[in-house]
Amino acid sequence: QVQLQQSGPGLVKPSQTLSLTCAVSGDSISSNSAAWNWIRQSPSRGLEWLGRTYYRSKWFNDYAVSVKSRITINADTSKNQFSLQLNSVTPEDTAVYYCARHPSWLAFDYWGQGTLVTVSS
Amino acid sequence: SYEVTQPLSVSVALGQTARITCGGNHIGSKSVHWYQQKPGQAPVLVIYGNGNRPSGIPERFSGSNSGNTATLTISRAQGGDEADYYCQVWDSTTAFFGGGTNLTVL
Repeated sequence: QVQLQQSGPGLVKPSQTLSLTCAVSGDSISSNSAAWNWIRQSPSRGLEWLGRTYYRSKWFNDYAVSVKSRITINADTSKNQFSLQLNSVTPEDTAVYYCARHPSWLAFDYWGQGTLVTVSS
Repeated sequence: SYEVTQPLSVSVALGQTARITCGGNHIGSKSVHWYQQKPGQAPVLVIYGNGNRPSGIPERFSGSNSGNTATLTISRAQGGDEADYYCQVWDSTTAFFGGGTNLTVL
């Protein structure tokens, strides 16, 4: 059974960097048939896909246009986990953040538990 | 950017059939996935690839996709089906979600 366990702070100050980690069990993040995603949800923006990382002989990343200048998703194969960094946050980045897996058929089949991140001074 | 539209709310009588639509330009040419989300929980995949059910999802859940509209159908609706439902597609290398539909079972 695949499980995704999120960790990271729930409060970030404006202009600082939001950092979250997603630890994966039951699958390898280096799998050639899966990708590892970050998605957020807020009342104003609904569900918003932020980006993904995946391994196909080398690592690739795709990012949403809305956050492309501020986001980095990294994979740590030694710990079988991946991370999200979102720079220069504002209160508009306040949301529940989820990590999720999608296999080759591109649906998000396993999700983390969600982390409420509030951007406030 | 690819726009995906859903009705804000749908109501269905207990035991009847609910249909939730997902609109998009030529969405019939895309693979549509559906998620159920209950308050305080992460979304759960209920339909993938237009009409496929993951293991553990009741046969009462089905999906179709043609033209500019995809549809999630919930037969014999139960109280436990009350939730928000989201459709999702990929356009090139970006995932897009619909705004979500709140299903009420009367």
